[in-house]
Amino acid sequence: DVKVTQSSRYLVKRTGEKVFLECVQDMDHENMFWYRQDPGLGLRLIYFSYDVKMKEKGDIPEGYSVSREKKERFSLILEYASTNQTSMALCASSSRTGLHEKLFFGSGTQLSVL
Amino acid sequence: AQKITQTQPGMFVQEKEAVTLDCTYDTSDPSYGLFWYKQPSSGEMIFLIYQGSYDQQNATEGRYSLNFQKARKSANLVISASQLGDSAMYFCAMRVIRANNLFFGTGTRLTVIP
Repeated sequence: DVKVTQSSRYLVKRTGEKVFLECVQDMDHENMFWYRQDPGLGLRLIYFSYDVKMKEKGDIPEGYSVSREKKERFSLILEYASTNQTSMALCASSSRTGLHEKLFFGSGTQLSVL
Repeated sequence: AQKITQTQPGMFVQEKEAVTLDCTYDTSDPSYGLFWYKQPSSGEMIFLIYQGSYDQQNATEGRYSLNFQKARKSANLVISASQLGDSAMYFCAMRVIRANNLFFGTGTRLTVIP
């Protein structure tokens, strides 16, 4: 069974802290994604990676960075957490083969920045 | 630019009735794929159904069908014989040939009434 695992289900941090969110997939997928979900706004792409050490900014990359040192692992980093980063962070992965390739999602991390 | 519009923030349906969730899209790419995902209160994103822009027939998966009207740029999800377990957020999404990621709408919260 395919699996995308996010390291934390809930995370509470203070303003200014450095935050690491980790995501691991076991499907040997080339593509990995970090989305942010906010009520009424749907899912918006923060960053994605199409290969090891490769990354591209999504629609809302400000305040975030990412790291992909191994194919199966994609980390989201908040250098200085701020209250406006309180949201659900969703990791996903997919094969690179075509239009029809669906994204497989993790369970999400509800991040609260106080 | 790609855009997905879901105009129904919330919908109610009686158990065992059918319901249609609206989705319109906008893209200048001739090749694209349309997806529907379900997000129960537990938070995970569950893939439901896929329709390619060149597919001649509407996609169906069990109780889910996609009413694809290319000229109107709509891709509505029809759920037949609603069940209590169908209560969830539903997201419409699109991928274009030039991009690896999915563009999501803002979602529709469906509530099934016993």
